[in-house]
Amino acid sequence: GENVEQHPSTLSVQEGDSAVIKCTYSDSASNYFPWYKQELGKRPQLIIDIRSNVGEKKDQRIAVTLNKTAKHFSLHITETQPEDSAVYFCAAAASGGGSNYKLTFGKGTLLTVNP
Amino acid sequence: KAGVTQTPRYLIKTRGQQVTLSCSPISGHRSVSWYQQTPGQGLQFLFEYFSETQRNKGNFPGRFSGRQFSNSRSEMNVSTLELGDSALYLCASSLQGAENTEAFFGQGTRLTVV
Repeated sequence: GENVEQHPSTLSVQEGDSAVIKCTYSDSASNYFPWYKQELGKRPQLIIDIRSNVGEKKDQRIAVTLNKTAKHFSLHITETQPEDSAVYFCAAAASGGGSNYKLTFGKGTLLTVNP
Repeated sequence: KAGVTQTPRYLIKTRGQQVTLSCSPISGHRSVSWYQQTPGQGLQFLFEYFSETQRNKGNFPGRFSGRQFSNSRSEMNVSTLELGDSALYLCASSLQGAENTEAFFGQGTRLTVV
């Protein structure tokens, strides 16, 4: 089955710096890669996602890149702010004809943005 | 539009007991997935239901079971509780399936087994 590795497990940055979180996946059939943000005591919320027919996607200060050949994808947050502090989860899924109807998550990255 | 609602929010149970958790998806969503979240393991997939049919099941023992009703509400049941079952149980609803369309999570049910 699919296996998703996520690094680093913790990341501390100064406000205004950039943060990068990396994930690798094992199943070449995976073609949908969402990122979730979970603040302390809150539910996970989707912040950005990418499909395998796209190499990069941006939404304001957040961007995700995908390298299908290497089977890895990354989350980039620029100009970090204290409210970006949270746990971030990457996930992978195979959609369409090869779907197994589930998201496989990485173990999460605790991002701390210091003022 | 109301979000995903999970009840109860907190539960304390004794080893050997059983428990039932409930998840009401967003109106119109037919897919409900369940995940177990623990500090060391992240979110682990339990099962997914779509139109009352279980389409996939994760690597959990048979003590973990679920079902979905015709109104898309879902329940999961854990029998013969063990200490290791203590976790946050999250459900997520989506239009067609979390692998295809955005999954919206509930607040979770915090289960403590003593």
